Amino acid sequence: EVQLVESGGGLVQPGGSLRLSCEASGFSFSSYYMHWVRQVPGKGLVWVSRINGDGRDTTYADSVKGRFTISRDNAKNTLDVQMNSLRADDTAVYYCVRDGHSYDFDSWGQGTLVTVSS
Amino acid sequence: QSALTQPASVSGSPGQSITISCTGTSSDVGRYNYVSWYQQHPGKAPKLMINEVSNRPSGVSNRFSGSKSGNTASLTISGLQAEDEAHYFCSSYTSDTTLWVFGGGTKLTVL
Repeated sequence: EVQLVESGGGLVQPGGSLRLSCEASGFSFSSYYMHWVRQVPGKGLVWVSRINGDGRDTTYADSVKGRFTISRDNAKNTLDVQMNSLRADDTAVYYCVRDGHSYDFDSWGQGTLVTVSS
Repeated sequence: QSALTQPASVSGSPGQSITISCTGTSSDVGRYNYVSWYQQHPGKAPKLMINEVSNRPSGVSNRFSGSKSGNTASLTISGLQAEDEAHYFCSSYTSDTTLWVFGGGTKLTVL
């Protein structure tokens, strides 16, 4: 069974930093692209970032480019995102998501809430 | 404002069929057959229901079907059941730098 478990969310002040992690199990982690997708509670979903299987190719939404850095450790089956210069509009639940090989998102973690507020 | 446009809400009675639309542009829905649909119950993570416009992943009920015409994709749920009550989101790959766009979500109420 595919399992994705996020951690690291919490309250941070504007301009601050936070690192989210995701532990993956139940599948061959290094064979899959992975994504971060966020959702303001009660609102829609927004794609944030993607990383390929060996970690060498990364892509970001314009809204986080230059502030967020996605990375992975295939030896530990973990996916991370380092979030710097956080703003109030980064407040959201952040989901760790497995790429479905069909330009879709086939498995989701339970999410971790990031709140940016003074 | 979301990149893809969905109705805020739809409703139907048990046993009926409903259709949720998802309107994009020639850069996303109209350009690629990479439209997917997600079901989200309150407080839960989204679940993939349809990918590549009309393909049902293993384990998804055949009461769920997808289609596309031009810049608009649709999700149809037949034989509505109480457990179908949830939010539904569409998504599409896009030629924009964003790579993926989502709809704002549609709340399905089973009366």
